[in-house]
Amino acid sequence: AQSVSQHNHHVILSEAASLELGCNYSYGGTVNLFWYVQYPGQHLQLLLKYFSGDPLVKGIKGFEAEFIKSKFSFNLRKPSVQWSDTAEYFCAVNAPGGRRALTFGSGTRLQVQP
Amino acid sequence: DAMVIQNPRYQVTQFGKPVTLSCSQTLNHNVMYWYQQKSSQAPKLLFHYYDKDFNNEADTPDNFQSRRPNTSFCFLDIRSPGLGDAAMYLCATSRDPSPNTEAFFGQGTRLTVV
Repeated sequence: AQSVSQHNHHVILSEAASLELGCNYSYGGTVNLFWYVQYPGQHLQLLLKYFSGDPLVKGIKGFEAEFIKSKFSFNLRKPSVQWSDTAEYFCAVNAPGGRRALTFGSGTRLQVQP
Repeated sequence: DAMVIQNPRYQVTQFGKPVTLSCSQTLNHNVMYWYQQKSSQAPKLLFHYYDKDFNNEADTPDNFQSRRPNTSFCFLDIRSPGLGDAAMYLCATSRDPSPNTEAFFGQGTRLTVV
């Protein structure tokens, strides 16, 4: 069965600081990986996704993530965060041959202080 | 421009009193999902529909049922809500069940059981 771990539950940063949120998944085969973001009071929305090819993927709002197969990781990064990045971030996996739905991590709450 | 709409946003129900949550979509997507999200936890898949094909997760309690009368609407029925069912309920859709397909989420319904 596929599973996802996000080890940082709550991260507090100052504006302009760099961000890296960890995500590790458990699945032995080919996976599709996603980062979703939920801004306060809003719905979950896709930040970026990886299916194949270049392991460094770029998403919206200056976010990027790197797929490292040997480490079963898909960490999210942003070189310089803004106050508007305050949100909850969810890593998710969907594996071919699986149950055809996303499996989420427990989320990381990011608080950016002005 | 809401594409996945959940009503109501907040629902308070009495212990044991049946409650129905609703979800509608304007995307004409084939797949609809219901997730349960408790505080500080990952969204947990309850079930999903691929068109009219209903797929129940093995650990979804019998207390939870779902109906999808047409492509646009999907309902979550909780027959006898307990205190442990208080959570955010998320509806999502995707164009097809391919594992690399983006899911679109509603804003959720927060259920309180009193």
